[in-house]
Amino acid sequence: NAGVTQTPKFQVLKTGQSMTLQCAQDMNHNSMYWYRQDPGMGLRLIYYSASEGTTDKGEVPNGYNVSRLNKREFSLRLESAAPSQTSVYFCASSEAAAEGNTIYFGEGSWLTVV
Amino acid sequence: GIQVEQSPPDLILQEGANSTLRCNFSDSVNNLQWFHQNPWGQLINLFYIPSGTKQNGRLSATTVATERYSLLYISSSQTTDSGVYFCAPGGAGNKLTFGGGTRVLVKP
Repeated sequence: NAGVTQTPKFQVLKTGQSMTLQCAQDMNHNSMYWYRQDPGMGLRLIYYSASEGTTDKGEVPNGYNVSRLNKREFSLRLESAAPSQTSVYFCASSEAAAEGNTIYFGEGSWLTVV
Repeated sequence: GIQVEQSPPDLILQEGANSTLRCNFSDSVNNLQWFHQNPWGQLINLFYIPSGTKQNGRLSATTVATERYSLLYISSSQTTDSGVYFCAPGGAGNKLTFGGGTRVLVKP
């Protein structure tokens, strides 16, 4: 049981390049999330998907797009990377988008934009 | 949005010591969770505690929702308790706002 799997784990991009972070969960969860964590700070919600077929903006959505491909997969795309997007990205899932549901995090994806 | 303040920002403990971490938040919430991020970056959910008190082994947490704060207690600390502890309150749904964290180092 892998839980939440993110790829790639490390990536270096040049300013203006695009890339997609992939996330898959095998816990049959309905809700999935993308967070970013800047050095020495807490996590900030970028986008979330309460259920398959729905997505919504979080606290810091600018510069990102998401796709809930199916119940298992939730991808995050950077269309034109900027140095300000250098961060660690965490994908997460929970059974439902309701309080009290334990959130399970992936191991993170370290992204550097130069 | 909700403002979250955690204190202290850094904490150094001798193995076996007890400690209390505090989380203040600015608005009424119906969701509050505590997380531990280990030195390798892995995030683990410790408690869901919008109010009341819960205990899990050497860890316990108390939230006083009416006064907008939560406390995390670590008793008999171990080196494996090192890492960053995050408080994350939230409103409807599981959309959480993370505090800046308390960095804990437990020395053997």
